[in-house]
Amino acid sequence: GAGVSQSPSNKVTEKGKDVELRCDPISGHTALYWYRQRLGQGLEFLIYFQGNSAPDKSGLPSDRFSAERTGESVSTLTIQRTQQEDSAVYLCASSLDTGAYGYTFGSGTRLTVV
Amino acid sequence: QKEVEQNSGPLSVPEGAIASLNCTYSDRVSQSFFWYRQYSGKSPELIMFIYSNGDKEDGRFTAQLNKASQYVSLLIRDSQPSDSATYLCAVNFRSQGNLIFGKGTKLSVKP
Repeated sequence: GAGVSQSPSNKVTEKGKDVELRCDPISGHTALYWYRQRLGQGLEFLIYFQGNSAPDKSGLPSDRFSAERTGESVSTLTIQRTQQEDSAVYLCASSLDTGAYGYTFGSGTRLTVV
Repeated sequence: QKEVEQNSGPLSVPEGAIASLNCTYSDRVSQSFFWYRQYSGKSPELIMFIYSNGDKEDGRFTAQLNKASQYVSLLIRDSQPSDSATYLCAVNFRSQGNLIFGKGTKLSVKP
C-alpha cells in the first residue's frame, strides 16, 4: 500500500479484556516495528520483525504482550488482560531494511482501557 | 543501556528566528541519526537523516553531526508557526536493528 496502515484507529476496552491491534506495512518493506507512546511521553520500543529472522522482543513490557507477523506482511500486536497503564497510542512503522534507513510510521491506534 | 537524550523544552522562538534543537547519544558505535517531527495528536514524520560528520542541509533545515562529541543537532532557519511541534531525535545503534528515540523537544514558534 501507499503507507503504513493501522487498525483500529481508536479502541476502548474494559480492564481485563484482550485486544488485537493490526498493522499493514508498506509493500516491500521487510522490517516492521511496534512502539508505544503514552500521553506526553516519548516512543517506547516494543518489538521488531526483520524478514524471516526471529523477532527482537526485548522491548515487550510483560508477558501479556505478544506480536506476530505473517511473512513480510501484516502484523498483529495482542495485549491480554488489559490494564489501565496499557492506555497509550500504539504506533507501527516499517522500513526497507533495518532501522539504519529510518522508517515510516502509521497513524497509530489509540487504546483506552477503562 | 543505549540512550538518546534531548532537552524536553518547551523551546520558544519568535517567527523568523533560528531554532536550535540538540541531542546527545550514549554509544560511539552508532550508524545513522534521524530527526522526526510530531504534531500534536499525529504520528512522527521523518524530516532529516544524517550519516556522516558535518552538516546536511535541506531547505530551511540543517542537521549537524559530531560523532566525536556524540552530538547531533537540528537547525530550523526562518522558523514559522507551522514548525511548532515536538521534534524527536532517533539513533540507529550498530548492534540493533531498531531506532532508539529521545523523549523529544517541544518547539513553539510565536507569530
